[in-house]
Amino acid sequence: DIQMTQSPSTLSASVGDRVTITCRASQSIISWLAWYQQKPGKAPKLLIYKASSLESGVPSRFSGSGSGTEFTLTISSLQPDDFATYYCQQYNSYWTFGQGTKVEIK
Amino acid sequence: QVQLQESGPGLVKPSETLSLTCTVSGGSISTYYWNWIRQPPGKGLEWIGYVYYSGSTTYNPSLKSRVTVSVDTSKNQFSLKLTSVTAADTAVFYCARGRTSGYPSDAFDIWGQGTLVTVSS
Repeated sequence: DIQMTQSPSTLSASVGDRVTITCRASQSIISWLAWYQQKPGKAPKLLIYKASSLESGVPSRFSGSGSGTEFTLTISSLQPDDFATYYCQQYNSYWTFGQGTKVEIK
Repeated sequence: QVQLQESGPGLVKPSETLSLTCTVSGGSISTYYWNWIRQPPGKGLEWIGYVYYSGSTTYNPSLKSRVTVSVDTSKNQFSLKLTSVTAADTAVFYCARGRTSGYPSDAFDIWGQGTLVTVSS
């Protein structure tokens, strides 16, 4: 099994802040990584696929980078709508998700 | 645009079989891979399995002995059966589409709203 570990688990930030979330894989997943945003009571929403490709309709303040075992999701300027939980997901071998990072208001 | 909607009982008794259906609207079920994912209350996401429109399937090894996913192309639906459920199977169940037509290993671009299934006597 490929394990995905996100850090931090919780992040307190203010509107306008630059925010970075890290995701580490237990073995190389090349670039087969996605990022999702989930709000309470809602389904996850795809933000980034193949580590750095922005899904259609997603604001350009979201970006992804990394390869192999270490990946990051960056929000360049946090907006009120961005307070949510973020999950990484590998799809190199089956599919597994990180435990989530909750971005909360500071 | 393509939309997904889960349906099925919200309460299942321990040791019984959980059955859910996902209806695909606004597009054809053909050529894509269709997935089930679950999320226990307050916890993270777990992939359960997928079905291709042809009927081929792949399951999470940790659930494989209890899971069956099937497709009905005439109804534009796919379904999940999970046998011998316990309280640990209580979760919100989501259906979702693989992003790239004809390609199994991909992110999930379209999700249903989710349905809570509680396992309790």
